Amino acid sequence: AQSVTQLDSQVPVFEEAPVELRCNYSSSVSVYLFWYVQYPNQGLQLLLKYLSGSTLVKGINGFEAEFNKSQTSFHLRKPSVHISDTAEYFCAVVRGGSEKLVFGKGTKLTVNP
Amino acid sequence: DVKVTQSSRYLVKRTGEKVFLECVQDMDHENMFWYRQDPGLGLRLIYFSYDVKMKEKGDIPEGYSVSREKKERFSLILESASTNQTSMYLCASSTGAANTEAFFGQGTRLTVV
Repeated sequence: AQSVTQLDSQVPVFEEAPVELRCNYSSSVSVYLFWYVQYPNQGLQLLLKYLSGSTLVKGINGFEAEFNKSQTSFHLRKPSVHISDTAEYFCAVVRGGSEKLVFGKGTKLTVNP
Repeated sequence: DVKVTQSSRYLVKRTGEKVFLECVQDMDHENMFWYRQDPGLGLRLIYFSYDVKMKEKGDIPEGYSVSREKKERFSLILESASTNQTSMYLCASSTGAANTEAFFGQGTRLTVV
């Protein structure tokens, strides 16, 4: 069975600082990887996804993520955060051959002025 | 604009009641999902449907059932509501390909008293 581990439940940062949200997955087969964001009192929306090809994936709002197969990681980064990036971020995986979308426990990013 | 609509944003039910949560999507998607979201636990998959009348159990199906009689509608049923089913419930849909984005509804916050 596949699983997704988000290593930090909460990440506080100051505005304009860089941030990295960590995600590791376990799977012995190929996977598709996603990052979703949930703003307060809203549903989830897609930030970016890795399907194949280039290991560096760019998403919306200046976020990017790097797929590392040897370390089974898919960490999310932003070089300079804004107050409006305060939200909960979820890493998710679909195993090749399946269509089930499985989520990690989420990381709450708080951007302080 | 794509849309996944959950019938209620807030719901209060009594212990032992049979509860129906409804979800409708207008994108002609094959896949539909029901998740439960709890603080610190992320999104946990309850049930997944990949076609009309087809379903698969997720990670936490106990106490729940689902119905998908039409492609656009996926219902979650709590056979006999209990207080430990108080939670946020999220519905999502996606195409039949594993590498595509899932679209989420706004969620239903269910309180069982």
